[in-house]
Amino acid sequence: ETGVTQTPRHLVMGMTNKKSLKCEQHLGHNAMYWYKQSAKKPLELMFVYSLEERVENNSVPSRFSPECPNSSHLFLHLHTLQPEDSALYLCASSQEWEGNQPQHFGDGTRLSIL
Amino acid sequence: GQNIDQPTEMTATEGAIVQINCTYQTSGFNGLFWYQQHAGEAPTFLSYNVLDGLEEKGRFSSFLSRSKGYSYLLLKELQMKDSASYLCAPSGYGQNFVFGPGTRLSVLP
Repeated sequence: ETGVTQTPRHLVMGMTNKKSLKCEQHLGHNAMYWYKQSAKKPLELMFVYSLEERVENNSVPSRFSPECPNSSHLFLHLHTLQPEDSALYLCASSQEWEGNQPQHFGDGTRLSIL
Repeated sequence: GQNIDQPTEMTATEGAIVQINCTYQTSGFNGLFWYQQHAGEAPTFLSYNVLDGLEEKGRFSSFLSRSKGYSYLLLKELQMKDSASYLCAPSGYGQNFVFGPGTRLSVLP
């Protein structure tokens, strides 16, 4: 069973749509993350949750709204996105968030904004 | 803030040895991760160095110099499947880590 599962794998949406990305981890980890990966740019950390509490928010526009209902699930709610938001969105988890634990990544959601 | 530098691209021949360098400037440094990412796939953990020196793990080894803010990933006996991006990620206490821009390695037959 895959440790970190993301759905959908691909998503095409218009700028006025509302959609959600889902992430589920089966590793018993306490921390979960959202990253954005654009072409020719480094991975950008968006949000960090530890035991369902948000611990870091890297100046992400409000059109991205995270939700962590429990330590196994993480959502990223999207609304009124812009074309520059087209990217690969990666979810990851780690045992703890304190920075010395390896992260396990999902395969990502490839998002295209029309 | 953090500043991480890696070469953008490298090319090597199957069976050869390649060294991918990473320099970083970061506050509250604890250790450094290396990840491998094949095109269209998720990054996967390769190594984590906390102490200075070389750590070997099969064909892959990773080196760290804390005083110089420098690390490298050494890949021996290169195989075609090693063609991927390699991401350097320093980490610190009480903060999560930032990823370097990645080095895209192409292994040629």
